[in-house]
Amino acid sequence: QQQVKQSPQSLIVQKGGIPIINCAYENTAFDYFPWYQQFPGKGPALLIAIRPDVSEKKEGRFTISFNKSAKQFSLHIMDSQPGDSATYFCAASPEQAGTALIFGKGTTLSVSS
Amino acid sequence: DAGVIQSPRHEVTEMGQEVTLRCKPISGHNSLFWYRQTMMRGLELLIYFNNNVPIDDSGMPEDRFSAKMPNASFSTLKIQPSEPRDSAVYFCASSLFGGNTIYFGEGSWLTVV
Repeated sequence: QQQVKQSPQSLIVQKGGIPIINCAYENTAFDYFPWYQQFPGKGPALLIAIRPDVSEKKEGRFTISFNKSAKQFSLHIMDSQPGDSATYFCAASPEQAGTALIFGKGTTLSVSS
Repeated sequence: DAGVIQSPRHEVTEMGQEVTLRCKPISGHNSLFWYRQTMMRGLELLIYFNNNVPIDDSGMPEDRFSAKMPNASFSTLKIQPSEPRDSAVYFCASSLFGGNTIYFGEGSWLTVV
């Protein structure tokens, strides 16, 4: 019940394509859903996050879509660039203060030029 | 501003040796997390502390692993004795208690031969 399932494991797109990464969860107590971006040799860093009261959030070329009834959320990267090549992790945490993020297994994205 | 500082960045050790990983969280942050990253299992939460108190250590794989946080600015993760299957990247992260964004260090790359 604590798991966050992420797919696909890896993704290759051409420059300008729109990669989509999907995540699913079971714990209905989760109420915060961030995406983290990790470049090789670095720690993950927050990219964008959403709460269940909205169905979509955009920040620049990055969009989260959220489906509360299906308990799924996804990351879309518009007009992808080679610099977006990285590993992306979805995560979730319950609403109680001081709890830890539970991460998906990650998706390695490669954007070819 | 200094981020989360981890040491050592890289360590190669022989099976059976004791390994100590160190972490200095961001000043003012009062939640600290230890995660382990492997290709097979992604980012796994090992343990986290709130206000220096361990809250959830259910992710610690075995008794060979232990973690301490003697004060607000320092934490250690110890593996004794180390085994080859412990080879991974170990990340420390910190956040404000009740805050959702966690900030990762650059990781400690451990290889046990």
